[in-house]
Amino acid sequence: QVHLQESGPGLVKPSGTLSLTCAVSGVSISSRNWWSWVRQSPGRGLEWIGEIYHTGSLNYNPSFKSRVTVSVDKSTNQFSLNLTSVTAADTALYYCARARNDWYGGTFDYWGQGALVTVSS
Amino acid sequence: FILTQPHSVSESPGKTVTISCTRSSGSIGDNYVQWYQQRPGSSPTTVIYEDDQRLSGVPDRFSGSIDTSSNSASLTISGLKTEDEADYYCQSYDTTNKVFGGGTKLTVL
Repeated sequence: QVHLQESGPGLVKPSGTLSLTCAVSGVSISSRNWWSWVRQSPGRGLEWIGEIYHTGSLNYNPSFKSRVTVSVDKSTNQFSLNLTSVTAADTALYYCARARNDWYGGTFDYWGQGALVTVSS
Repeated sequence: FILTQPHSVSESPGKTVTISCTRSSGSIGDNYVQWYQQRPGSSPTTVIYEDDQRLSGVPDRFSGSIDTSSNSASLTISGLKTEDEADYYCQSYDTTNKVFGGGTKLTVL
């Protein structure tokens, strides 16, 4: 049974860095899947942020590219998100998700429960 | 590009409803479309992938299609049940981005 679980601070100060980790269980993060971050907010709906493959290959949403880093830790079967220079507009529910395939357009077949991050002083 | 969905649709139990998803630029047929169901308080789940495929466990009441003439995709749910009441999102991609539609709230009344 594949399970994804997000963790990280629920409150980040403006101009600070949002950091989240996704713990993956039930499957190796080195499997033939891409691992993504997606966020959801009332004003912006669902937004794909970026993804990583276990080899280290990356794809980022151009809207976030200057601020985002996604990394993978195969030893702990986890992957992470760092988003810098955050503002109130980055307040959202952040999901980690698995893409079903090892090619770019695969559907997200497993999602975490989401981690609410609020940007506020 | 943008994926445009109706904000809301409603239909009665047992009836059939279709939710549209129109791509603003680029051909709908060039990249697969996925459809996700999101019930209140839950994470999205895939109901249709690769335009018209159902993941294991998804009832065959759910079907997907694309129409290149209108550059749109559609999700059709037949034999509506109250449990189908949820938000539905389409999603597709191009070479640089993966994009979600704004979501459609389905009310079954």
